Amino acid sequence: EVQLVESGGVVVQPAGSLRLSCVASGFTFDDYPMHWVRQAPGKGLEWVSLVTWDGYTTDYADSVKGRFTISRDNSKNSLYLQMNSLRTEDTALYYCAKTYGYPGPFDYWGQGTLVTVSS
Amino acid sequence: EIVLTQSPGTLSLSPGETATLSCRASQSVFSSFLAWYQQKPGQAPRLLIYVASSRATGIPDRFSGSGSGTDFTLTISRLEPEDFAVYYCQQYGSSPWTFGQGTKVEIK
Repeated sequence: EVQLVESGGVVVQPAGSLRLSCVASGFTFDDYPMHWVRQAPGKGLEWVSLVTWDGYTTDYADSVKGRFTISRDNSKNSLYLQMNSLRTEDTALYYCAKTYGYPGPFDYWGQGTLVTVSS
Repeated sequence: EIVLTQSPGTLSLSPGETATLSCRASQSVFSSFLAWYQQKPGQAPRLLIYVASSRATGIPDRFSGSGSGTDFTLTISRLEPEDFAVYYCQQYGSSPWTFGQGTKVEIK
Protein backbone atom coordinates (compact mmCIF):
# COMPACT_ATOMS: atom_id res chain seq x y z
CA GLU A 1 0.00 0.00 0.00
CA VAL A 2 1.34 3.39 -1.00
CA GLN A 3 1.73 5.78 1.95
CA LEU A 4 2.97 9.35 2.06
CA VAL A 5 3.36 10.92 5.49
CA GLU A 6 4.18 14.61 5.81
CA SER A 7 5.56 16.33 8.89
CA GLY A 8 7.16 19.58 9.99
CA GLY A 9 4.23 21.97 9.82
CA VAL A 10 4.12 24.48 12.68
CA VAL A 11 3.28 28.10 13.47
CA VAL A 12 6.12 30.34 12.30
CA GLN A 13 6.62 34.09 12.18
CA PRO A 14 6.80 36.04 8.91
CA ALA A 15 10.32 35.98 7.42
CA GLY A 16 11.00 32.72 9.25
CA SER A 17 12.10 29.35 7.87
CA LEU A 18 10.76 25.83 8.01
CA ARG A 19 11.58 22.41 6.58
CA LEU A 20 8.82 20.00 5.65
CA SER A 21 9.40 16.28 5.22
CA CYS A 22 7.48 13.51 3.51
CA VAL A 23 8.30 9.84 4.06
CA ALA A 24 7.16 7.42 1.39
CA SER A 25 6.46 3.70 1.53
CA GLY A 26 4.78 1.01 -0.51
CA PHE A 27 6.47 1.82 -3.82
CA THR A 28 9.95 2.20 -5.30
CA PHE A 29 10.51 5.81 -4.31
CA ASP A 30 13.42 6.57 -6.64
CA ASP A 31 11.41 5.55 -9.72
CA TYR A 32 8.99 8.47 -9.52
CA PRO A 33 8.88 12.28 -9.59
CA MET A 34 7.44 13.92 -6.48
CA HIS A 35 5.60 17.18 -5.91
CA TRP A 36 4.47 19.53 -3.20
CA VAL A 37 0.95 21.00 -3.51
CA ARG A 38 -0.64 23.39 -1.04
CA GLN A 39 -4.14 24.44 -0.06
CA ALA A 40 -4.83 27.63 1.86
CA PRO A 41 -7.66 27.35 4.41
CA GLY A 42 -11.00 27.16 2.59
CA LYS A 43 -9.33 27.64 -0.80
CA GLY A 44 -8.35 25.57 -3.83
CA LEU A 45 -5.24 23.61 -4.73
CA GLU A 46 -1.97 25.25 -5.78
CA TRP A 47 1.01 23.35 -7.20
CA VAL A 48 4.23 24.39 -5.44
CA SER A 49 7.20 22.36 -6.65
CA LEU A 50 8.46 19.26 -8.48
CA VAL A 51 11.58 17.13 -8.25
CA THR A 52 12.39 14.35 -10.71
CA TRP A 53 13.29 10.82 -9.59
CA ASP A 54 17.04 11.51 -9.57
CA GLY A 55 16.75 14.89 -7.84
CA TYR A 56 18.56 16.68 -10.66
CA THR A 57 15.59 18.54 -12.11
CA THR A 58 13.40 20.81 -10.03
CA ASP A 59 10.66 23.30 -10.81
CA TYR A 60 8.76 25.87 -8.80
CA ALA A 61 5.65 28.01 -8.90
CA ASP A 62 6.48 31.68 -9.37
CA SER A 63 4.94 32.42 -5.96
CA VAL A 64 7.70 30.45 -4.17
CA LYS A 65 10.63 30.64 -6.60
CA GLY A 66 13.80 31.83 -4.87
CA ARG A 67 12.34 31.17 -1.39
CA PHE A 68 11.55 27.43 -1.38
CA THR A 69 13.87 24.53 -2.23
CA ILE A 70 12.69 21.00 -2.96
CA SER A 71 14.98 18.02 -2.49
CA ARG A 72 14.87 14.28 -1.94
CA ASP A 73 16.96 11.57 -0.30
CA ASN A 74 16.23 8.34 -2.11
CA SER A 75 18.22 6.34 0.46
CA LYS A 76 15.68 7.44 3.07
CA ASN A 77 12.57 7.40 0.83
CA SER A 78 12.11 11.03 1.78
CA LEU A 79 11.04 14.28 0.14
CA TYR A 80 11.75 17.70 1.60
CA LEU A 81 10.68 21.31 1.19
CA GLN A 82 12.92 23.99 2.66
CA MET A 83 10.84 27.13 3.08
CA ASN A 84 12.60 30.45 3.68
CA SER A 85 11.40 34.06 3.89
CA LEU A 86 7.92 32.86 4.77
CA ARG A 87 4.96 35.16 4.19
CA THR A 88 1.46 35.14 5.63
CA GLU A 89 0.17 34.06 2.23
CA ASP A 90 2.20 30.82 2.55
CA THR A 91 -0.22 29.67 5.25
CA ALA A 92 -1.66 26.41 3.95
CA LEU A 93 -1.94 22.67 4.25
CA TYR A 94 1.04 21.25 2.36
CA TYR A 95 0.62 17.92 0.61
CA CYS A 96 3.29 15.76 -0.91
CA ALA A 97 2.12 13.91 -3.99
CA LYS A 98 3.50 11.19 -6.21
CA THR A 99 3.19 11.13 -9.99
CA TYR A 100 3.71 8.04 -12.11
CA GLY A 101 5.53 9.89 -14.84
CA TYR A 102 6.98 13.18 -15.94
CA PRO A 103 4.62 14.55 -16.82
CA GLY A 104 1.94 12.69 -14.96
CA PRO A 105 -1.11 13.24 -12.76
CA PHE A 106 -0.86 13.03 -8.99
CA ASP A 107 -1.90 9.46 -8.28
CA TYR A 108 -1.18 9.38 -4.54
CA TRP A 109 -1.32 12.13 -1.92
CA GLY A 110 -0.37 12.39 1.72
CA GLN A 111 -2.74 13.79 4.34
CA GLY A 112 -0.87 17.08 4.53
CA THR A 113 0.95 19.12 7.16
CA LEU A 114 -0.29 22.56 8.23
CA VAL A 115 1.99 25.57 7.98
CA THR A 116 0.75 28.75 9.65
CA VAL A 117 2.69 31.97 9.12
CA SER A 118 1.62 34.50 11.69
CA SER A 119 3.09 36.99 14.12
CA GLU B 1 0.64 29.79 -17.52
CA ILE B 2 -2.50 27.89 -18.44
CA VAL B 3 -5.52 29.16 -16.51
CA LEU B 4 -8.28 26.62 -15.91
CA THR B 5 -11.80 27.91 -15.34
CA GLN B 6 -14.35 25.50 -13.89
CA SER B 7 -18.10 25.92 -14.09
CA PRO B 8 -20.44 26.02 -12.43
CA GLY B 9 -19.05 26.99 -9.04
CA THR B 10 -21.71 24.95 -7.27
CA LEU B 11 -24.01 22.24 -8.59
CA SER B 12 -27.07 21.31 -6.52
CA LEU B 13 -28.39 17.88 -7.44
CA SER B 14 -30.24 14.91 -5.95
CA PRO B 15 -28.88 11.37 -5.63
CA GLY B 16 -29.49 9.45 -8.84
CA GLU B 17 -29.13 12.51 -11.06
CA THR B 18 -26.28 13.23 -13.48
CA ALA B 19 -23.64 15.89 -12.81
CA THR B 20 -21.87 17.62 -15.68
CA LEU B 21 -18.80 19.65 -14.73
CA SER B 22 -16.88 21.85 -17.15
CA CYS B 23 -13.22 22.84 -17.24
CA ARG B 24 -12.06 25.38 -19.82
CA ALA B 25 -8.36 26.11 -20.43
CA SER B 26 -6.92 29.46 -21.51
CA GLN B 27 -4.82 27.62 -24.11
CA SER B 28 -4.67 24.13 -25.50
CA VAL B 29 -3.65 21.45 -22.99
CA PHE B 30 -0.69 19.51 -24.34
CA SER B 31 -1.59 15.92 -25.26
CA SER B 32 -4.84 16.24 -23.27
CA PHE B 33 -2.82 15.94 -20.07
CA LEU B 34 -5.90 16.89 -18.04
CA ALA B 35 -6.85 15.23 -14.76
CA TRP B 36 -9.86 15.38 -12.45
CA TYR B 37 -9.71 15.01 -8.65
CA GLN B 38 -12.34 14.61 -5.97
CA GLN B 39 -11.86 16.14 -2.53
CA LYS B 40 -14.05 15.56 0.50
CA PRO B 41 -13.86 17.69 3.67
CA GLY B 42 -10.79 16.89 5.75
CA GLN B 43 -9.36 14.56 3.10
CA ALA B 44 -6.64 14.75 0.50
CA PRO B 45 -7.66 14.92 -3.16
CA ARG B 46 -8.19 11.62 -4.98
CA LEU B 47 -7.34 11.09 -8.63
CA LEU B 48 -10.41 10.18 -10.71
CA ILE B 49 -9.50 10.75 -14.36
CA TYR B 50 -6.25 11.29 -16.24
CA VAL B 51 -5.40 12.03 -19.89
CA ALA B 52 -8.87 13.59 -20.05
CA SER B 53 -10.81 10.33 -20.21
CA SER B 54 -8.97 7.43 -18.53
CA ARG B 55 -10.30 6.31 -15.16
CA ALA B 56 -7.79 5.85 -12.38
CA THR B 57 -7.53 2.52 -10.57
CA GLY B 58 -10.62 1.68 -8.54
CA ILE B 59 -12.77 4.54 -9.84
CA PRO B 60 -16.37 3.48 -10.61
CA ASP B 61 -17.54 3.64 -14.21
CA ARG B 62 -20.20 6.23 -13.34
CA PHE B 63 -17.31 8.72 -13.54
CA SER B 64 -16.34 9.63 -17.09
CA GLY B 65 -14.20 12.32 -18.66
CA SER B 66 -14.16 13.78 -22.13
CA GLY B 67 -12.75 16.63 -24.14
CA SER B 68 -9.59 17.86 -25.79
CA GLY B 69 -7.82 21.09 -26.62
CA THR B 70 -9.33 23.69 -24.31
CA ASP B 71 -12.68 22.17 -23.30
CA PHE B 72 -13.05 19.25 -20.92
CA THR B 73 -15.98 17.67 -19.07
CA LEU B 74 -16.39 15.39 -16.09
CA THR B 75 -19.69 13.53 -15.99
CA ILE B 76 -20.92 11.71 -12.91
CA SER B 77 -23.88 9.48 -13.72
CA ARG B 78 -26.34 8.22 -11.11
CA LEU B 79 -24.97 10.33 -8.24
CA GLU B 80 -24.33 8.35 -5.07
CA PRO B 81 -24.33 9.98 -1.60
CA GLU B 82 -20.54 9.59 -1.42
CA ASP B 83 -20.10 11.61 -4.66
CA PHE B 84 -21.06 14.92 -3.06
CA ALA B 85 -17.72 16.69 -2.82
CA VAL B 86 -15.52 19.29 -4.50
CA TYR B 87 -14.02 18.44 -7.89
CA TYR B 88 -10.89 19.99 -9.39
CA CYS B 89 -9.46 19.79 -12.87
CA GLN B 90 -5.70 20.03 -13.37
CA GLN B 91 -3.44 20.28 -16.39
CA TYR B 92 -0.04 18.60 -16.21
CA GLY B 93 1.11 19.11 -19.77
CA SER B 94 3.15 22.23 -19.13
CA SER B 95 4.72 23.98 -16.21
CA PRO B 96 3.44 25.44 -14.01
CA TRP B 97 1.00 22.63 -13.34
CA THR B 98 -2.30 24.41 -12.66
CA PHE B 99 -5.64 23.58 -11.08
CA GLY B 100 -9.10 24.96 -11.65
CA GLN B 101 -10.81 26.71 -8.76
CA GLY B 102 -13.12 23.76 -8.11
CA THR B 103 -16.79 22.83 -8.49
CA LYS B 104 -18.77 21.86 -5.42
CA VAL B 105 -21.41 19.20 -6.00
CA GLU B 106 -23.91 19.49 -3.16
CA ILE B 107 -27.08 17.68 -2.21
CA LYS B 108 -30.21 19.51 -3.30
